[in-house]
Amino acid sequence: NAGVTQTPKFRVLKTGQSMTLLCAQDMNHEYMYWYRQDPGMGLRLIHYSVGEGTTAKGEVPDGYNVSRLKKQNFLLGLESAAPSQTSVYFCASRRRSPYEQYFGPGTRLTVT
Amino acid sequence: AQSVTQLDSHVSVSEGTPVLLRCNYSSSYSPSLFWYVQHPNKGLQLLLKYTSAATLVKGINGFEAEFKKSETSFHLTKPSAHMSDAAEYFCVHGGSQGNLIFGKGTKLSVKP
Repeated sequence: NAGVTQTPKFRVLKTGQSMTLLCAQDMNHEYMYWYRQDPGMGLRLIHYSVGEGTTAKGEVPDGYNVSRLKKQNFLLGLESAAPSQTSVYFCASRRRSPYEQYFGPGTRLTVT
Repeated sequence: AQSVTQLDSHVSVSEGTPVLLRCNYSSSYSPSLFWYVQHPNKGLQLLLKYTSAATLVKGINGFEAEFKKSETSFHLTKPSAHMSDAAEYFCVHGGSQGNLIFGKGTKLSVKP
């Protein structure tokens, strides 16, 4: 099992460009999450999904969109990147129970 | 609302001495609590989890944590620090939407 994988690992964008981050899991998990990590802030929830075809907003959703067309994939989109979106993005997944989440290796995004 | 507070942003110990990383939580119900570790430029790894089965929880790499309801605390300890323990540690609360609520993290330094 690969677990949770994220593509790409690194990316540099210019302000106003768009991109999509891909998260894939091979554990047949129902729930998937996107977090961002900024220094001194811990991880903050951007969006999450409780099943295929469903998404919901987390703590910091502005400027991001998500889609969960397939159970194993969760996409995070930035329509018009801003320097404030420079961060490390983590995807996670879990079963219905227990709460334990499995994390991907992260994507380091820089917006100039 | 659920929250966690990590009382120290940085802890420094000498190799072979005990480690104590402090965490207080706030919750209106019986919480699910976790400690995750993040080594430099790596993803997050689950150290241990509390889900009400036992108040003293043992994790990987010799770490353990004690759930104290009267003190609303879930401190992480290890009897003897190793150089490889140097990392950032996150105390985490299971949220009502199945998400995770992260503390801001404690950086552990281990001196030889």
